[in-house]
Amino acid sequence: NAGVTQTPKFQVLKTGQSMTLQCAQDMNHNSMYWYRQDPGMGLRLIYYSASEGTTDKGEVPNGYNVSRLNKREFSLRLESAAPSQTSVYFCASSGGGGISLDTQYFGPGTRLTVL
Amino acid sequence: GQQLNQSPQSMFIQEGEDVSMNCTSSSIFNTWLWYKQDPGEGPVLLIALYKAGELTSNGRLTAQFGITRKDSFLNISASIPSDVGIYFCAGRIAQKLVFGQGTRLTINP
Repeated sequence: NAGVTQTPKFQVLKTGQSMTLQCAQDMNHNSMYWYRQDPGMGLRLIYYSASEGTTDKGEVPNGYNVSRLNKREFSLRLESAAPSQTSVYFCASSGGGGISLDTQYFGPGTRLTVL
Repeated sequence: GQQLNQSPQSMFIQEGEDVSMNCTSSSIFNTWLWYKQDPGEGPVLLIALYKAGELTSNGRLTAQFGITRKDSFLNISASIPSDVGIYFCAGRIAQKLVFGQGTRLTINP
């Protein structure tokens, strides 16, 4: 039982390049989330998927797209990377609504640098 | 958008000391959570609070849900080296969590 896995762990891009961050969970959770973490800013929600087949914008969605490929996988795509997107990206999952929502399990993060 | 103000931003203490940190908001939350993030890892849930006035403990950690539902407090007693990390408060809005900026705890042995 690996929990939440993310690939890659590190990535360096040039401005304008595109890439997809992958996330998978093996806990049969309904909900999945993408956050970015910047120094002094805490975690900010980019997009989330409450259930398979649905996605919704979070606090900072501009410049990103997501795909809930199936119940296990939730990917984050940067179509044209910008230096402002240099950050640590975390994927998380939770069981669903109600109290179980609170226990969000986080992946180890992807450290992205955009030059 | 919603904002949580967490303080202090950083703490430097001696091993064995008690630690207190808090989180305030201009909005009411029905659930308050406290997470800890170790270096290079994702956050892990420490304590969840569901009722105003609730006081909950998890080992040496104690957290309280403020009466106004606009604040929460976390205390760590008798700190040890493994307590080092960043502590985040989070408030729940519908299906989403809003996180504070974090308190970075450093412990001098």
